[in-house]
Amino acid sequence: TQLLEQSPQFLSIQEGENLTVYCNSSSVFSSLQWYRQEPGEGPVLLVTVVTGGEVKKLKRLTFQFGDARKDSSLHITAAQPGDTGLYLCAGGDNAGNMLTFGGGTRLMVKP
Amino acid sequence: NAGVTQTPKFRVLKTGQSMTLLCAQDMNHEYMYWYRQDPGMGLRLIHYSVGEGTTAKGEVPDGYNVSRLKKQNFLLGLESAAPSQTSVYFCASSYAFYEQYFGPGTRLTVT
Repeated sequence: TQLLEQSPQFLSIQEGENLTVYCNSSSVFSSLQWYRQEPGEGPVLLVTVVTGGEVKKLKRLTFQFGDARKDSSLHITAAQPGDTGLYLCAGGDNAGNMLTFGGGTRLMVKP
Repeated sequence: NAGVTQTPKFRVLKTGQSMTLLCAQDMNHEYMYWYRQDPGMGLRLIHYSVGEGTTAKGEVPDGYNVSRLKKQNFLLGLESAAPSQTSVYFCASSYAFYEQYFGPGTRLTVT
């Protein structure tokens, strides 16, 4: 069974601060996705990375896939209250059928 | 387009009762998935389908059954509900493996 560990589990910061969320595994994944989930709603895909070492930017969010495709990070610059939510990473299996989700990082950005 | 819809939104069952959760998508997606979400554990895959008439077991399939008789619908059944099945259930669909679209969730409580 492939496992993904996210850290930290909880993060409470002030508006304008930077933060990094980590997603780590001992297994290799074919792809790595990041989702954001707001209370009472389903997760929404933010980004997919598929190549080791890949870096993608989405406005103030920067996503990186580790060279060995076992880990990933999400960095948010100048966090805003609208960034508040549960961030989930998910790794794709080699068969291309299943995603393994991490436990999530709950982020609160205070104004 | 409605995207992915789930019925019902909330349900309370007594131990031993049965029920069916309905997921419908209007995006003509081949892949459909059922997950459960518990605090601190992210999302865990219950069953999935890669096309009409096909189903496969995910990470936590015990106590659940599924059917995909029509491409747009994916049903999740609980034959004899147990308190351990208290959770929030999410359905998702995707055209290609990499991007999953989630429904709003069904909150199930088993007493």
